[in-house]
Amino acid sequence: NAGVTQTPKFRILKIGQSMTLQCAQDMNHNYMYWYRQDPGMGLKLIYYSVGAGITDKGEVPNGYNVSRSTTEDFPLRLELAAPSQTSVYFCASSYQGGWDNSPLHFGNGTRLTVT
Amino acid sequence: RKEVEQDPGPFNVPEGATVAFNCTYSNSASQSFFWYRQDCRKEPKLLMSVYSSGNEDGRFTAQLNRASQYISLLIRDSKLSDSATYLCVVNMIQGGATNKLIFGTGTLLAVQP
Repeated sequence: NAGVTQTPKFRILKIGQSMTLQCAQDMNHNYMYWYRQDPGMGLKLIYYSVGAGITDKGEVPNGYNVSRSTTEDFPLRLELAAPSQTSVYFCASSYQGGWDNSPLHFGNGTRLTVT
Repeated sequence: RKEVEQDPGPFNVPEGATVAFNCTYSNSASQSFFWYRQDCRKEPKLLMSVYSSGNEDGRFTAQLNRASQYISLLIRDSKLSDSATYLCVVNMIQGGATNKLIFGTGTLLAVQP
C-alpha cells in the first residue's frame, strides 16, 4: 500500500494563478481531509469528505474548492491564488472519520508559496 | 471559545524529566481523541489514541476527563528524541453521522541534554 499520496511536493504560484493539489489513497478509506498549516501554527481543516460525492466545509474553506468523484481521490483546487494561501497543505484519510478511534493517515504535504 | 485548545509552550525540560500536556475541547458530544507528534517540516504521525479509561504506551500515558472536557498526555523519562510538537485531535460532531477532526495548535516540547 502506498497510503496517502500527495502531489506536487513543492509549488510556487503567482498571485491570481490557479492550481490543483492532488491527493490519492489506496486504503479504501471513506473519509478524506485537507488541512493547511501556517508556520508555527497547528493544522486548520479546509474541507473534508465522508465518501464519494459528499464534501463539507471545514474551518477555513474560503478560496478553495474540492470534489470527490471517487473513493480514492480528493483534489483541492485554488482558483485565484493569494499570498495568504502560502502554507503547507496536508491531505489525510481515515477509515471511520474519528468514530471508533480510527486515526488519520497523512500524506507528506505540499509546500505552496504564492508571490 | 476555540473548538480545541492547547498551551503552545514551548516546554523546555531536561532529559529524564516528566512532562504533561493538556488539551481542552468545546464539544461535549466528541467521541474520539488522539495525540499526534509532528517533527519539524514533516507530516503529523499518530502517537496514540485516547480511550475513556486512559491508556499507556511505554513512557506515554493518555487520559480523558469528560466532565472537564480535556485530554492529557504524560511523558515520563523524557528523551532528546521526544523533542517535537504534540498535537491533540478531537472529532467534532456535526449533524447526523458526519464529523470533522479538529487539531489543537500544538505544544512544542524541547528536551535539553
